[in-house]
Amino acid sequence: QKEVEQNSGPLSVPEGAIASLNCTYSDRGSQSFFWYRQYSGKSPELIMSIYSNGDKEDGRFTAQLNKASQYVSLLIRDSQPSDSATYLCAVNIGDSSASKIIFGSGTRLSIRP
Amino acid sequence: DGGITQSPKYLFRKEGQNVTLSCEQNLNHDAMYWYRQDPGQGLRLIYYSQIVNDFQKGDIAEGYSVSREKKESFPLTVTSAQKNPTAFYLCASSPISNQPQHFGDGTRLSIL
Repeated sequence: QKEVEQNSGPLSVPEGAIASLNCTYSDRGSQSFFWYRQYSGKSPELIMSIYSNGDKEDGRFTAQLNKASQYVSLLIRDSQPSDSATYLCAVNIGDSSASKIIFGSGTRLSIRP
Repeated sequence: DGGITQSPKYLFRKEGQNVTLSCEQNLNHDAMYWYRQDPGQGLRLIYYSQIVNDFQKGDIAEGYSVSREKKESFPLTVTSAQKNPTAFYLCASSPISNQPQHFGDGTRLSIL
């Protein structure tokens, strides 16, 4: 089992709809969770961090964390064509002395007009 | 402006040649990282450093080397032992490990 798993997509969503991106992770001790957006040919940019169970909202983005189910998701409301990108989930793995952040392989999102 | 600067943007390597990719940050971050990304793939960790004069191997360190003599700088050398170096190389930094990482613009390395 991969340490951080995402559906590679592509996920196609109509403009104005809600896009839902999902990520599962293997390390029950993980405490830090991040979502990055990566446009084609560009470097990843951080869009959300979440550290505790529940929802965290920032503008059109909502991150949801469920540590019991080892599941983190990203919702994008009112999807825009500019949201078309690859979304990377990142999770810290390991204890504090040897901890590192592992990236999933990303989900490609396409917003259709 | 604070940020991470990678250079060059494009780099070509000849057979048997070592090449060095530069990464400089002025964010005063302790931790720095190097990742490799192949087309359509996720990020794979090559090396990381949590403090000056210390670094650890990531998942794909073979054929690469790094140094961390200064807090601001974390250069990556792609040696001739790396037989398939063509990829997009990304440098990142964070205040300490486990905090969000901020990325440079990347270097694209190709073989001549």
